[in-house]
Amino acid sequence: DAKTTQPDSMESTEGETVHLPCSHATISGNEYIYWYRQVPLQGPEYVTHGLQQNTTNSMAFLAIASDRKSSTLILPHVSLRDAAVYHCILRTDNTGYQNFYFGKGTSLTVIP
Amino acid sequence: NSKVIQTPRYLVKGQGQKAKMRCIPEKGHPVVFWYQQNKNNEFKFLINFQNQEVLQQIDMTEKRFSAECPSNSPCSLEIQSSEAGDSALYLCASSLGGGQNTLYFGAGTRLSVL
Repeated sequence: DAKTTQPDSMESTEGETVHLPCSHATISGNEYIYWYRQVPLQGPEYVTHGLQQNTTNSMAFLAIASDRKSSTLILPHVSLRDAAVYHCILRTDNTGYQNFYFGKGTSLTVIP
Repeated sequence: NSKVIQTPRYLVKGQGQKAKMRCIPEKGHPVVFWYQQNKNNEFKFLINFQNQEVLQQIDMTEKRFSAECPSNSPCSLEIQSSEAGDSALYLCASSLGGGQNTLYFGAGTRLSVL
């Protein structure tokens, strides 16, 4: 059973800022939100993660809603290299082990 | 470039054959995960290890798959008797564990069962 919901696909033009949404309405207090991206023929690549506060790094800005039921990955000034499937993931350690639950991801197309 | 090394990149087997794939986790990472990714981009968790010990595995893995992470050797995942539904991308990932839980993935082994 999926724990996150993302749109199947989104499209953007090179240079634009892209907002990738993720819904996680049943998130638990101890679950972190991770984002990965994946291009064909490769495994997922780590982008960013957060718990409650917004976070930023060289790749992206992660905005987390105050109730933590949703988050948005913001990619500034996208280039063709940002075209990928973006996975929004919850990491849980409810069982004492730290598993990751993957959604289907959003396929981002970047138009030149 | 990923520091998790998976071999082979591609594997083709007939139904009923054994299929074995290997993973060298990033140096110093004691935690290893195996996932199965289907052509719809959906991930299925299979099993995870901390050092040589199995932490969690799903029923399917317990019954038809065998996996191990011996010390000083690559981790491996083997399907005892391949089925057409096993055709997928098998991803290995490693992490430091503890409070450092970012998973680092390999490029995967793409299995085709004919």
